[in-house]
Amino acid sequence: DAGVTQSPTHLIKTRGQQVTLRCSPKSGHDTVSWYQQALGQGPQFIFQYYEEEERQRGNFPDRFSGHQFPNYSSELNVNALLLGDSALYLCASTRARGSTEAFFGQGTRLTVV
Amino acid sequence: SQQGEEDPQALSIQEGENATMNCSYKTSINNLQWYRQNSGRGLVHLILIRSNEREKHSGRLRVTLDTSKKSSSLLITASRAADTASYFCATDDRYSGGGADGLTFGKGTHLIIQP
Repeated sequence: DAGVTQSPTHLIKTRGQQVTLRCSPKSGHDTVSWYQQALGQGPQFIFQYYEEEERQRGNFPDRFSGHQFPNYSSELNVNALLLGDSALYLCASTRARGSTEAFFGQGTRLTVV
Repeated sequence: SQQGEEDPQALSIQEGENATMNCSYKTSINNLQWYRQNSGRGLVHLILIRSNEREKHSGRLRVTLDTSKKSSSLLITASRAADTASYFCATDDRYSGGGADGLTFGKGTHLIIQP
């Protein structure tokens, strides 16, 4: 049973570019959340997708957008990249109904230069 | 914004000793969870304690929750070198009826177990 998978594992982009990160949730999970973790900090909640809709959003600008597909996988898009967007981006999946335990992927390390 | 604040920021102990980490939070919660992160990789769920529970055990882990003080502690007994990692508390402080909302994490405690 595969856990949460994210791709790519590492990415280097230039300021002003756009990036798309991908996440496949754990089998049986239908809710996907995205987090940004800066170096030395705890993860910060970006947004959550359920039934292909953004259900909740943290304090992130509109440059951060997402999508959830019918198979529950999800994408995180960041436009007009800034140096400050360099971070580890984590995807977590949960079952919408039941345990609130979140299963995390290994993350995508984004470096903006 | 960070809700949970772990204390200490860093902890170094000898293998076999017990390690205690504390977490404080600000708002009312439904539950509090502890996660482990190795070398900036994904987070691994350790234990969840609900707001109506005071103590919970899982193997070498013991978690306490004091909702009156808005604080929690994680005790790792008989520590091992493999326990070296960063430990985060996370609170679920909003529940919309359909399932888990976003978790609010603290900055973490970096634990080093010296052999």
